[in-house]
Amino acid sequence: GAGVSQTPSNKVTEKGKYVELRCDPISGHTALYWYRQSLGQGPEFLIYFQGTGAADDSGLPNDRFFAVRPEGSVSTLKIQRTERGDSAVYLCASSSTGLYTDTQYFGPGTRLTVL
Amino acid sequence: AQTVTQSQPEMSVQEAETVTLSCTYDTSENNYYLFWYKQPPSRQMILVIRQEAYKQQNATENRFSVNFQKAAKSFSLKISDSQLGDTAMYFCASATQYGNKLVFGAGTILRVKS
Repeated sequence: GAGVSQTPSNKVTEKGKYVELRCDPISGHTALYWYRQSLGQGPEFLIYFQGTGAADDSGLPNDRFFAVRPEGSVSTLKIQRTERGDSAVYLCASSSTGLYTDTQYFGPGTRLTVL
Repeated sequence: AQTVTQSQPEMSVQEAETVTLSCTYDTSENNYYLFWYKQPPSRQMILVIRQEAYKQQNATENRFSVNFQKAAKSFSLKISDSQLGDTAMYFCASATQYGNKLVFGAGTILRVKS
């Protein structure tokens, strides 16, 4: 079975531009998570989906960040008016039910560079 | 609020030897899980081992084992017979029943030398 996949692997954009990052979770996993990992640091939680709905978006830093999961599978993280401080690796993870006892399986991440 | 602290930014070990990575955490919850993840240069986070807080027995997975000291809120990872492929960043993380998200420490870079 395929693991979590993320596209693109790397994204370079200019300050002020809009970007979309895609995540394909493991088939059948109802829970999907986005994390952001700045250089030399551990991942920080952004948002958690249970099915199609965002169950917890407390980690989104501001209203420039938005994520969707319209059919309960693929998710897209959208960043408007990008800033240099948004440069980081964006990690996606999925788990089978979303319970805290589940293991989260991670994708390889998208490295976003804002020039 | 949950916090996870890893106080060793970098560690080195000779191939075939044993190394221990430290982690402390803080939570007010009674039900929680603790995890060690490995992140090689490829960036793919891989689960190494997990521990349920209500289990007193320390988890083991082949060459990897933990020393879980609940009262001290300590959760260290022991890697035995270190291999070159163990070279990676290691993250300690926690999850509680009142938040499905993982809270990570800052990580420890482990270098295995031949």
